[in-house]
Amino acid sequence: DVKVTQSSRYLVKRTGEKVFLECVQDMDHENMFWYRQDPGLGLRLIYFSYDVKMKEKGDIPEGYSVSREKKERFSLILESASTNQTSMYLCASSPTGQTNEKLFFGSGTQLSVL
Amino acid sequence: QKEVEQNSGPLSVPEGAIASLNCTYSDRGSQSFFWYRQYSGKSPELIMFIYSNGDKEDGRFTAQLNKASQYVSLLIRDSQPSDSATYLCAVNDDYKLSFGAGTTVTVRA
Repeated sequence: DVKVTQSSRYLVKRTGEKVFLECVQDMDHENMFWYRQDPGLGLRLIYFSYDVKMKEKGDIPEGYSVSREKKERFSLILESASTNQTSMYLCASSPTGQTNEKLFFGSGTQLSVL
Repeated sequence: QKEVEQNSGPLSVPEGAIASLNCTYSDRGSQSFFWYRQYSGKSPELIMFIYSNGDKEDGRFTAQLNKASQYVSLLIRDSQPSDSATYLCAVNDDYKLSFGAGTTVTVRA
């Protein structure tokens, strides 16, 4: 079974802190994604990566950065956490190809910024 | 950003009935369409995908696509309490997917 593992299920941080969310996949997938999910807004893409050391901005990249030093690991960084970044963060991966018909999601990290 | 709109819900249906979920999308060039199911507190999981106009059936689920009308739907026949979840419509956008906000379905026993 494909496994996408997110390092924390729940995280509480203070405003202004630098926050790292880690994601690891074990299926040698080329593509990895970070989404955030908010009630009534669905999943919104923050960043994605289609290869090691490659990254592309999604629809809402402001206030975030990413790192992909190894194929299996994709990290989301909140440079200076703010309360409006309180959300559920979902990491996903998929094999190469233009149509990502199957995204494999991690179990999510519920981040609260106080 | 490609727009993906779903009927707002929540949708409540009696057990055994048909649940009908609708989704429209803004980009006429979109080629691939997906339905994900998300149980409360869980991650989304793919249940259907469709590429061609018409119907595609998989068990109790039927996806319908009309590219001319930029419309995709999901029918759940013989709805069961285990179908109670949020259903997310997604449309391909090059290497990534754009998701709708989701429709929450509750199946009443």
